[in-house]
Amino acid sequence: DAGVIQSPRHEVTEMGQEVTLRCKPISGHNSLFWYRQTMMRGLELLIYFNNNVPIDDSGMPEDRFSAKMPNASFSTLKIQPSEPRDSAVYFCASSGLMGSYNSPLHFGNGTRLTVT
Amino acid sequence: GENVEQHPSTLSVQEGDSAVIKCTYSDSASNYFPWYKQELGKRPQLIIDIRSNVGEKKDQRIAVTLNKTAKHFSLHITETQPEDSAVYFCAAGGPNTGFQKLVFGTGTRLLVSP
Repeated sequence: DAGVIQSPRHEVTEMGQEVTLRCKPISGHNSLFWYRQTMMRGLELLIYFNNNVPIDDSGMPEDRFSAKMPNASFSTLKIQPSEPRDSAVYFCASSGLMGSYNSPLHFGNGTRLTVT
Repeated sequence: GENVEQHPSTLSVQEGDSAVIKCTYSDSASNYFPWYKQELGKRPQLIIDIRSNVGEKKDQRIAVTLNKTAKHFSLHITETQPEDSAVYFCAAGGPNTGFQKLVFGTGTRLLVSP
């Protein structure tokens, strides 16, 4: 298995621009998570999906952030408009098989976002 | 909700020494406790995990212990090597954290000096 695949690996954009991060979870996994990591705040859970349905988006910082999971093999995290304080590494992770509970979480390689 | 505290935040050891990282959790219903290692510029990777039906688990130089009564669990690394230098995260999950969601500790930066 190729693991969790994220794109792009690096994104540099100007303040005010729209940013879209993409994630392909491990085939067969039914939960998908978006995390943000910074030195100041550590690893923060933004939102997670189970069976393509958003379960908890309480970690999404504000309305500028949105996430979708149109099918079991693809998810996006969008920031519009982007701001310099959004600069961070964004990780996507997936876990679980159908009916499984508390399975290991597998992280993608992350997207390093820089907003200037 | 579940809250996980991790100590120390930084740990420096000499190569060959042992390293211990400790975590406490608040929800007695939590039943799954993984540990992740994150090398600089890379993704967190699972190194070992333990479920609440056992008290200890070992994998070569790494071991994890769980004390359900005290609600704490620890990562033990023996015979440390420079390549063990990384940030280590503990986490907890269970029926009250929801659908496979994990609550992470704040991380421990381990530095192993040659």
